[in-house]
Amino acid sequence: NAGVMQNPRHLVRRRGQEARLRCSPMKGHSHVYWYRQLPEEGLKFMVYLQKENIIDESGMPKERFSAEFPKEGPSILRIQQVVRGDSAAYFCASSPPLAGVYNEQFFGPGTRLTVL
Amino acid sequence: KNQVEQSPQSLIILEGKNCTLQCNYTVSPFSNLRWYKQDTGRGPVSLTIMTFSENTKSNGRYTATLDADTKQSSLHITASQLSDSASYICVVSGPAGTALIFGKGTTLSVSS
Repeated sequence: NAGVMQNPRHLVRRRGQEARLRCSPMKGHSHVYWYRQLPEEGLKFMVYLQKENIIDESGMPKERFSAEFPKEGPSILRIQQVVRGDSAAYFCASSPPLAGVYNEQFFGPGTRLTVL
Repeated sequence: KNQVEQSPQSLIILEGKNCTLQCNYTVSPFSNLRWYKQDTGRGPVSLTIMTFSENTKSNGRYTATLDADTKQSSLHITASQLSDSASYICVVSGPAGTALIFGKGTTLSVSS
């Protein structure tokens, strides 16, 4: 059973360009979470999605950021008109539909975004 | 405000020695607390998960303790190895399905 997969692993964009980060959850997992880790900081929650639904986006910046988890295909985190402050590691995690009290989340390797 | 504080920020120990990392939290309501290990350039990997009713849980050389009354947890590593060099992150969760609150981590360096 392959783990959570993220691509690309590294992404370089110039200011003003768009960044698209992809996350394929573990097989059988229907819950996806996106986190951002700034240098020297802990991971910060951004958004929680289930198939075709955004459950909690309280950690998402109000502008330029969006996320989706379509019925088919990977979850996408999209950042429009990137700025240097968007440079960070973006981690995706997934959990099974009946997570129980432990709500076990399995993390992908992350995408490191560098904005020039 | 929901927060997770970890100490020390960084730690250097010799191979074979033991160490203990601390975590204090103010997250409420509380469902479970977990410790993750994050190697440089990798995603976090779960070491232990404890609910409020569990006081201790072990995973090989890693032993986590939890005092839900004082809202404190510790991670004890015995007989450290070079491969233990990593960031150790304390994470607290509310009810199932809600976001995790991460500490900033303790960076452990094990030297020979």
